[in-house]
This record gives sequence, structure tokens and C-alpha cells, in this order.
Amino acid sequence: SQTIHQWPATLVQPVGSPLSLECTVEGTSNPNLYWYRQAAGRGLQLLFYSVGIGQISSEVPQNLSASRPQDRQFILSSKKLLLSDSGFYLCAWSYGDRDTGELFFGEGSRLTVL
Amino acid sequence: GQNIDQPTEMTATEGAIVQINCTYQTSGFNGLFWYQQHAGEAPTFLSYNVLDGLEEKGRFSSFLSRSKGYSYLLLKELQMKDSASYLCAPMDSNYQLIWGAGTKLIIKP
Repeated sequence: SQTIHQWPATLVQPVGSPLSLECTVEGTSNPNLYWYRQAAGRGLQLLFYSVGIGQISSEVPQNLSASRPQDRQFILSSKKLLLSDSGFYLCAWSYGDRDTGELFFGEGSRLTVL
Repeated sequence: GQNIDQPTEMTATEGAIVQINCTYQTSGFNGLFWYQQHAGEAPTFLSYNVLDGLEEKGRFSSFLSRSKGYSYLLLKELQMKDSASYLCAPMDSNYQLIWGAGTKLIIKP
């Protein structure tokens, strides 16, 4: 069966510090991978998605970046966090060979920037 | 532009039935998803409609009218554990999900 894990689950970071969130998927090959952010009371905002190693599409201009060094690994990074980066970050995957679009989410990472 | 409209919050009684409506405007359409999200947790898949009509899955049913840009999620025999946010997410022509802010459902005993 397929599983997805992301970490850390919770982190509190000062403004200007770096960020690294990691996500891995098990049990499937060549998945589509996604990073979303959810601010309190808001809908899910797509940040990045990837259809393959080294292929990253950015949906929103910001101080965040994403990388996919391996087929089932997706990393969200920032060199200098802003207060507005606070939120609930969700990694997700979907089948790369299907167009159904169903997303399977990781547990989420709650980031508080102070 | 692309837009999703669903009520911000609804309240219902344990054992009752509730219908959560969603209207949408998207660039193309490739189906519509409903997800459930408990507070502080990740969304989980509930249903997918691509053709007009009603899809029933246990206590939950989802309806779609493509011509009206309208869907609803029907929850029967409400339980306290159904207290959560319900997210309507149509899929556009690029097979990307467009997310609404969700409807927070509060179940009272």
C-alpha cells in the first residue's frame, strides 16, 4: 500500500531563519507531488507541484522553493522566513499515470514564524 | 477567473441530515471532489463526481450538476465525529484541483 510522510509536524521559527520541510512517498513510482499551504480559515493554496525528478512548477511567487532530488522525495525550503509564511503546510501525491486527480495528503506541518 | 462558493459554517444535530452546497466556476472541468478535514489534520477523500447525478457511499452522498456549476454533499445520520470542515474542489482543464475555503460543520448533541 502507498504511504506518505512529511516532517517535522510542528515547528516554530524566527523571522529570517531558513526552512526545510521534507516529504516522502512509499509504495508507488513516479507520483505527482504537491506542496500546499493552508492559512487559518482559508482554502488550500497550491505552492509547487512536480511531475518528475527535477521538474518543479511554481504556482505562486514567494520566498519559498521546492526540490525533488529523488522520485519519491519532495522538499520545501526557504532561505529567510517571513511572518506571512506561517501556516499549515501539506504535502500530497497523486498517481502520475492517471488523470483522476485524487490527492493523498501527508499529515501536515504546522509552521509558526515569530 | 476560478471561484468556489460554499457556506462558511453550518450547524446540525446528531442523527439528523445536512446538505452542504457548493457552486463553482472553473476554466474547464474534469470532475469534482469532496474532502473532509478535521481540525489540525490533513484532508481525506470523500467522493468524486464527473457525471451529473448522485453518487452514494454509505452515509455520505454527493450530487453534481455540470450545467449549473453546482454540487452538494449530503450527510445522513450525523455523528459527533462528522464535525469537521468539508472542502469542495473541482478539477480544471489542467487536472488541477481548485480549492474552496471549506464549510465548517458543527454537530450538536
